[in-house]
Amino acid sequence: DAGITQSPRYKITETGRQVTLMCHQTWSHSYMFWYRQDLGHGLRLIYYSAAADITDKGEVPDGYVVSRSKTENFPLTLESATRSQTSVYFCASSESMASYTDTQYFGPGTRLTVL
Amino acid sequence: AQSVAQPEDQVNVAEGNPLTVKCTYSVSGNPYLFWYVQYPNRGLQFLLKYITGDNLVKGSYGFEAEFNKSQTSFHLKKPSALVSDSALYFCAVRDGRYGGATNKLIFGTGTLLAVQP
Repeated sequence: DAGITQSPRYKITETGRQVTLMCHQTWSHSYMFWYRQDLGHGLRLIYYSAAADITDKGEVPDGYVVSRSKTENFPLTLESATRSQTSVYFCASSESMASYTDTQYFGPGTRLTVL
Repeated sequence: AQSVAQPEDQVNVAEGNPLTVKCTYSVSGNPYLFWYVQYPNRGLQFLLKYITGDNLVKGSYGFEAEFNKSQTSFHLKKPSALVSDSALYFCAVRDGRYGGATNKLIFGTGTLLAVQP
């Protein structure tokens, strides 16, 4: 049972380059999320998706693009990476829609460094 | 707007002693509260959640949390700390006033728990 996986686990890139972080879940969860974790800020929501082909902005979406052509995949793209996007990125998923009680389950994270 | 505060950046406790990690929240409607733990170089793992009912919620690894509506708090507790409990702990809240379709959680900034042998 793989659950939710992220790749790569570590990435170093340069300012201005395009970077795509991958997220894959095997539970067929409807909802998927991308967060970034920064010291002093906790986790902040970048984008989320309620189902395939349905995405919406979170708290800090600028500079990021997402897509969801298949239920199990939710890639996050930094179109032109900046140093301020150096962070740890977590993907998460939850089972159903419109439920206050649903638990989100997290992937292992991707540590991205932008030089 | 909904928010979560974890007033302590770090909590130090000796192994075998009880531990408390504090969390307070602010929401307009009914709060739905969660605790997650993050071990080094790992993702967040779900510990427990409060939805309704008993104010004392029991979760994984012997942890429990007490919901206190009057104090708007949801402190995480464990009767006897282990060195292996050392990790980063996050409190999160969802506001029941708003439509649940967004399913968004608001996280605190995290508290580092250090358990000394």
